[in-house]
Amino acid sequence: AQKVTQAQTEISVVEKEDVTLDCVYETRDTTYYLFWYKQPPSGELVFLIRRNSFDEQNEISGRYSWNFQKSTSSFNFTITASQVVDSAVYFCALSDTGNQFYFGTGTSLTVIP
Amino acid sequence: DAGVIQSPRHEVTEMGQEVTLRCKPISGHDYLFWYRQTMMRGLELLIYFNNNVPIDDSGMPEDRFSAKMPNASFSTLKIQPSEPRDSAVYFCASSLGGPRGPQHFGDGTRLSIL
Repeated sequence: AQKVTQAQTEISVVEKEDVTLDCVYETRDTTYYLFWYKQPPSGELVFLIRRNSFDEQNEISGRYSWNFQKSTSSFNFTITASQVVDSAVYFCALSDTGNQFYFGTGTSLTVIP
Repeated sequence: DAGVIQSPRHEVTEMGQEVTLRCKPISGHDYLFWYRQTMMRGLELLIYFNNNVPIDDSGMPEDRFSAKMPNASFSTLKIQPSEPRDSAVYFCASSLGGPRGPQHFGDGTRLSIL
C-alpha cells in the first residue's frame, strides 16, 4: 500500500506565483516523522524539513511554509512568490515505527520566468 | 564539514561485469542508507546500516546485490553480475538517529549497464 501519496506529478507556475505541493500519508502509528526533500536538476537530494507527529504547528522558513494536518493526514508544502531556482522535484517522505522510510513519487515543479 | 561522498559519479559497464559503488558518510553519523532511483520505480530504499551493522536489507532486489560497511567511514554496494535493468542512479545517505533523522545525501552514482 502506498504510504506517501503525491498526487501532483507535474506543476508549472509563472514566476512570483504561489504554489502548494500536496502530500498525503498513511500510517497507523501514533509516532511518526514527515519530511520534505528537494531534488534540483543537478540531481542531489536536499533535506528541507522534518516534522514529528506530535507537533502540528505550521512552519515558515522564508518563502517556504508547511501545513501539517493530522485530521486529513496531510503535510503540504507552499512556496510563496516562486522563483526559477525553485524548479525541482520535491519529495515528501514518512518514517514510522519499525524504522522504515517511505518516499512519495515526487512532484516536478517548473517555475517559468 | 564535508558532506556524503560517493564514487564514482558515473559508471558505464557491460552486462555481466561486477560493479562496486562507494560511499563515505558524514563523520559522526551512525546510520547509512543506500537508495536506488529510476523513472519507473522512483526512490527505493535498498538497505541501511546502524553503527556498521546492516539493519534492514528488505529492499535489496536480488542476491546479485550486496552491501558492506567495514567501518564507520566507508560503505560499498556491489552488483555481481550486473544487468541492464540495474541502470539507475544510486544514492548514499547518512544520518544521526536513523530513518527518523534528516538524511544527508551524496551526489549519487549514475550507473549504466550496457
